[in-house]
Amino acid sequence: DTGVSQDPRHKITKRGQNVTFRCDPISEHNRLYWYRQTLGQGPEFLTYFQNEAQLEKSRLLSDRFSAERPKGSFSTLEIQRTEQGDSAMYLCASSLSRANRGNLGNTIYFGEGSWLTVV
Amino acid sequence: KQEVTQIPAALSVPEGENLVLNCSFTDSAIYNLQWFRQDPGKGLTSLLLIQSSQREQTSGRLNASLDKSSGRSTLYIAASQPGDSATYLCAVSPTETLNQGGKLIFGQGTELSVKP
Repeated sequence: DTGVSQDPRHKITKRGQNVTFRCDPISEHNRLYWYRQTLGQGPEFLTYFQNEAQLEKSRLLSDRFSAERPKGSFSTLEIQRTEQGDSAMYLCASSLSRANRGNLGNTIYFGEGSWLTVV
Repeated sequence: KQEVTQIPAALSVPEGENLVLNCSFTDSAIYNLQWFRQDPGKGLTSLLLIQSSQREQTSGRLNASLDKSSGRSTLYIAASQPGDSATYLCAVSPTETLNQGGKLIFGQGTELSVKP
């Protein structure tokens, strides 16, 4: 168990460019989450997957944002036509949800985050 | 709409002091409440998870309580140490969605500094 890993850890990009972040969850975890955090604030929920199905998306996730988890393992978060307001840390997390209990008692494990700076 | 508030935003204490961090939430319809620790520039580490049916959880020097009806939780840290310096975040899992606890709503955090 190597924990949740995210790549890249830091990304500086010019406004208007596309960026993609990758998340590898803990191997047996079937739920995967993306959050965004800006300085001095708590993380904000963006979206989450159960296996390969994207079950919920926040209104924060504009049309420029897309997330995938094609085989129910790793996930990617792509931001198209980046804007300076997209500068933040993007956090991935995973958990194990048992079929008859949802996620009621299961701890969510976070990765170290991917820092995005749009200049 | 569920909102989570943490008070104070920052706290500085001398080493050895016992301290309490506060968290309040506006909607009592939650599956659970979790406390996390975040070191500067790092991800979050889960400290304690309290189910909605529970009143408290303990782990080492940490004790978290939950009063769902009043929308409050506290994190008690006993005999604080400089290594406890970090930002502490509380988060609730709301029941209004169908995802059975898949989403967390966070407070802004309390930045704790423990001075040697």
